Amino acid sequence: QQQVKQSPQSLIVQKGGISIINCAYENTAFDYFPWYQQFPGKGPALLIAIRPDVSEKKEGRFTISFNKSAKQFSLHIMDSQPGDSATYFCAAGGGSQGNLIFGKGTKLSVKP
Amino acid sequence: ETGVTQSPTHLIKTRGQQVTLRCSSQSGHNTVSWYQQALGQGPQFIFQYYREEENGRGNFPPRFSGLQFPNYSSELNVNALELDDSALYLCASSTGLAGTNTQYFGPGTRLTVL
Repeated sequence: QQQVKQSPQSLIVQKGGISIINCAYENTAFDYFPWYQQFPGKGPALLIAIRPDVSEKKEGRFTISFNKSAKQFSLHIMDSQPGDSATYFCAAGGGSQGNLIFGKGTKLSVKP
Repeated sequence: ETGVTQSPTHLIKTRGQQVTLRCSSQSGHNTVSWYQQALGQGPQFIFQYYREEENGRGNFPPRFSGLQFPNYSSELNVNALELDDSALYLCASSTGLAGTNTQYFGPGTRLTVL
């Protein structure tokens, strides 16, 4: 019940394309869903986060879509750039969970 | 405003030894969480400290212990190191519980156990 399942494990996208990463959770008490970006040798950096009172949140080229009934949320990266090549992690937290549960990550490669 | 810092950057230990990792939280943050990130995996929650008290613990044995100091900096101690303890150890700080508040991660400490 505490898992966050993330897919795909890896993703290759052409420059200018749309990258889509999906996550699913089980615990309906979760009410905070952040996405983190991690470059090799660095700690994760918060990219964008959403709470379940909205179905979509957009910040620049990054958009989170949230489907509460399906217990799924996804990250869309528009106009993907080579500099976006990194590992992306979804996470979930809230309710009685005083910490974040992370997905296993998606390694994104954007080809020029 | 300074970000989350961790020391050391890299560390090599042998099986059975003990290690202490350090973290300075971001200015104004009173909560520190520690995570273990194995190669190719997502961060796994170890424990969280809020105002110097442990507030939540993941599925890690008691040989993983920690402290938080009055200035909100923190230490992670691991006793009787095992080969599987080799990982990137991440510290994150926030204002309030990590499950619902934005966490800011440090660069991590890479621990290798031989």
